[in-house]
Amino acid sequence: AQKVTQAQTEISVVEKEDVTLDCVYETRDTTYYLFWYKQPPSGELVFLIRRNSFDEQNEISGRYSWNFQKSTSSFNFTITASQVVDSAVYFCALRVNTGNQFYFGTGTSLTVIP
Amino acid sequence: KAGVTQTPRYLIKTRGQQVTLSCSPISGHRSVSWYQQTPGQGLQFLFEYFSETQRNKGNFPGRFSGRQFSNSRSEMNVSTLELGDSALYLCASSLVLGGRALNEQFFGPGTRLTVL
Repeated sequence: AQKVTQAQTEISVVEKEDVTLDCVYETRDTTYYLFWYKQPPSGELVFLIRRNSFDEQNEISGRYSWNFQKSTSSFNFTITASQVVDSAVYFCALRVNTGNQFYFGTGTSLTVIP
Repeated sequence: KAGVTQTPRYLIKTRGQQVTLSCSPISGHRSVSWYQQTPGQGLQFLFEYFSETQRNKGNFPGRFSGRQFSNSRSEMNVSTLELGDSALYLCASSLVLGGRALNEQFFGPGTRLTVL
């Protein structure tokens, strides 16, 4: 069975602080894909990044970076120098190669205080 | 390219009624998935359609059903509404090659259903 755990329910940081959102996944499949989505107050989930199980290279995109570690089954997301516009709910998701169903974590609500 | 669109954006219904929600995927995307999002349960997978056929189904009662048309547009229907069906219903589309959905799903803005 597949499972995604986001243990942090809510996080508050002051603007310009760095913040890391944790994601731990469970799967027995050897081929799988991990995703992060952002859900602003408007409600629409916005795709941020995809990683497949064969690519453990970390990625940086502007102020965003992702740390994928298969050894700990984690796919953590760091926002550097946070901004008020980063305030949203962030979801980590898993898809295995045998289907198109996404398994979402429960989300982490991030509030950036000006 | 236009994104995923969902109509209506908001709905208010009463218990026992039925409702139909509509989703138009991104042009060229043939896989459409539906999710229910509630504060207590988070994002839960309802079902996925591809080429007018349901390919995957989540753990929801038979009151929840869907269909997909030849132009890939999809509808989901909930019959005999219950208070607990109040939620944000999200539709997502994916590009499919060789029968397998690739990569990320792109989400619509959702339909917020309130059952009174």
